[in-house]
Amino acid sequence: AQSVTQLDSQVPVFEEAPVELRCNYSSSVSVYLFWYVQYPNQGLQLLLKYLSGSTLVKGINGFEAEFNKSQTSFHLRKPSVHISDTAEYFCAVSDSLSGSARQLTFGSGTQLTVLP
Amino acid sequence: DTAVSQTPKYLVTQMGNDKSIKCEQNLGHDTMYWYKQDSKKFLKIMFSYNNKELIINETVPNRFSPKSPDKAHLNLHINSLELGDSAVYFCASSLSGTQYFGPGTRLLVL
Repeated sequence: AQSVTQLDSQVPVFEEAPVELRCNYSSSVSVYLFWYVQYPNQGLQLLLKYLSGSTLVKGINGFEAEFNKSQTSFHLRKPSVHISDTAEYFCAVSDSLSGSARQLTFGSGTQLTVLP
Repeated sequence: DTAVSQTPKYLVTQMGNDKSIKCEQNLGHDTMYWYKQDSKKFLKIMFSYNNKELIINETVPNRFSPKSPDKAHLNLHINSLELGDSAVYFCASSLSGTQYFGPGTRLLVL
């Protein structure tokens, strides 16, 4: 079984400032890691994913995340945020085992609010 | 050309009623899921089907019954709706580990 902890439930930040949303996970097996974004009253959109390979992954809208196996973290970063980035961000993990259903276990979400 | 679609988008109903939510994906994926998002935005897996076969059935009341007529469709039927069933229900599909979500169905039980 896996678990995900998003350390900050709310992150306010001024427009054009950098932001980091923190995510830590625990798992007894190797994992896949994801960040999803949910805009108000909308569905979940995939921002980026780590399946294998380079630990620094780039996603849509200028976001990137770094997989750190020793610290079991997958923090999301953006160097300069826009008002339109205001949304709820979810970190999620699944196991990477072949034949597994690979259900996602989600963190509790981080509300990013970009202030003018 | 919507990848994962759900109907209806909104569903308001009385306690005790039976309702269904439909999900369709045109991505050619083999695996489909239902997730529930509660009022605190917490997301939890309910069911997963692979090629029409149930492979995950989390601790969900048996009033909830998924049905997969083919691998492109996964419907969710809920009997005897209760106030606590009010939530947003998301369908998702996946291939090779990455899940893509539908827009959600917002269910309100009065």
